[in-house]
Amino acid sequence: QTVVTQEPSFSVSPGGTVTLTCGLTSGSVSTTSYSSWYQQTPGQAPRTLIYSTNIRSSGVPDRFSGSILGNKAALTITGAQADDESEYHCALYLGSGIWVFGGGTKLTVL
Amino acid sequence: QVQLQESGPGLVKPSETLSLTCGVSGYFISGAYYWGWVRQPPGKGLEWIGSVHRSGNTYYNASLTSRLTMSVDTSKNQFSLQLSSVTATDTAIYYCARIVAAAATKGFDYWGQGTLVTVSS
Repeated sequence: QTVVTQEPSFSVSPGGTVTLTCGLTSGSVSTTSYSSWYQQTPGQAPRTLIYSTNIRSSGVPDRFSGSILGNKAALTITGAQADDESEYHCALYLGSGIWVFGGGTKLTVL
Repeated sequence: QVQLQESGPGLVKPSETLSLTCGVSGYFISGAYYWGWVRQPPGKGLEWIGSVHRSGNTYYNASLTSRLTMSVDTSKNQFSLQLSSVTATDTAIYYCARIVAAAATKGFDYWGQGTLVTVSS
């Protein structure tokens, strides 16, 4: 069974830069994984930040960026702000219409 | 602006069938996108349930496929989920979403607000 791995938690200082990653227990993430990233605050629905590795969703500030780093997908937040404190979920496309989500990373800004 | 709205019972008895509908506004469901369901058990991460196209083509999570049916109703601009033989482990917030599924671009772009479904007698 394919499992998507994310850091359970991460912290960043206000104004700092943080990179969250999204990997596979078996295999490497590439552009054909069409990695995507979603931000979720408590009690709210997910908000799409990035899809297809590096395409920013409408209205998402350019301090959020997606990429492939080594064999993982990455979400980089530059100039972190207090309201970036959220859960960040990644999703990977496994082919044949199949998607899998990671367990999420809880980001603290302090 | 594309908007999605889930509807359905908030309480389902064990062994019964969970049925949800997602109404879409701001976009004709007969277009090129797939339409999907994602759920989130209390305090846990997101789980992709399945995706459906206006053509009737479906993709299901392998762990749910034996209990799952998804369909599209283009006349009502909505799509639906049915999950049979539910147990307490199916208790979750259920989200519907639009899925970009072009040749070189894929991902979930719009989400509904979610609806909590509790399985309990």
